[in-house]
Amino acid sequence: QKEVEQNSGPLSVPEGAIASLNCTYSDRGSQSFFWYRQYSGKSPELIMFIYSNGDKEDGRFTAQLNKASQYVSLLIRDSQPSDSATYLCAGNFGNEKLTFGTGTRLTIIP
Amino acid sequence: EAGVAQSPRYKIIEKRQSVAFWCNPISGHATLYWYQQILGQGPKLLIQFQNNGVVDDSQLPKDRFSAERLKGVDSTLKIQPAKLEDSAVYLCASSLVSSTDTQYFGPGTRLTVL
Repeated sequence: QKEVEQNSGPLSVPEGAIASLNCTYSDRGSQSFFWYRQYSGKSPELIMFIYSNGDKEDGRFTAQLNKASQYVSLLIRDSQPSDSATYLCAGNFGNEKLTFGTGTRLTIIP
Repeated sequence: EAGVAQSPRYKIIEKRQSVAFWCNPISGHATLYWYQQILGQGPKLLIQFQNNGVVDDSQLPKDRFSAERLKGVDSTLKIQPAKLEDSAVYLCASSLVSSTDTQYFGPGTRLTVL
């Protein structure tokens, strides 16, 4: 059973600070990872995906993947109240389907 | 570009009744997914279609759930009979070719089973 683990939170971060969201996984065959944001009562929307070890930046968001340690993280710089949401980590383990974690609820405190 | 469409948005039924959900994916997307998301959990894949063939239905409770995508475009998911534990949001998503492509989610159908 391929697992994706996330701390459910809630994680509270002051406005303007860096929010760090982490995800670990159990399958060394993992190939790609996706971070989705889900506002309360809404459907998930893709923020970033990452396939290779290292960092990938997109605006205020940076995804980090470390396949040797089996973790993936999402950093949000200059956090805004609009970033308050649940962040879902999902992995594609080469079997043609995504496995989602339970999500981390992030609250940005003005 | 129109997004993934789903209907109905909300449904309330009593246990043992049947219910059906409809999904129309983004035009040109070959792969369609149905997920179940229980409150406080991440989405769980129920079934994945590529065109009109099933790629994965390993987590679909086949004794009560069924799904079809007859012409490789829109899809229906049915539950018969419903149980209390089926209360959840049912999300439909689509991607261009495979699950390594970005999945775009519809607004979901919130099902309450009483």
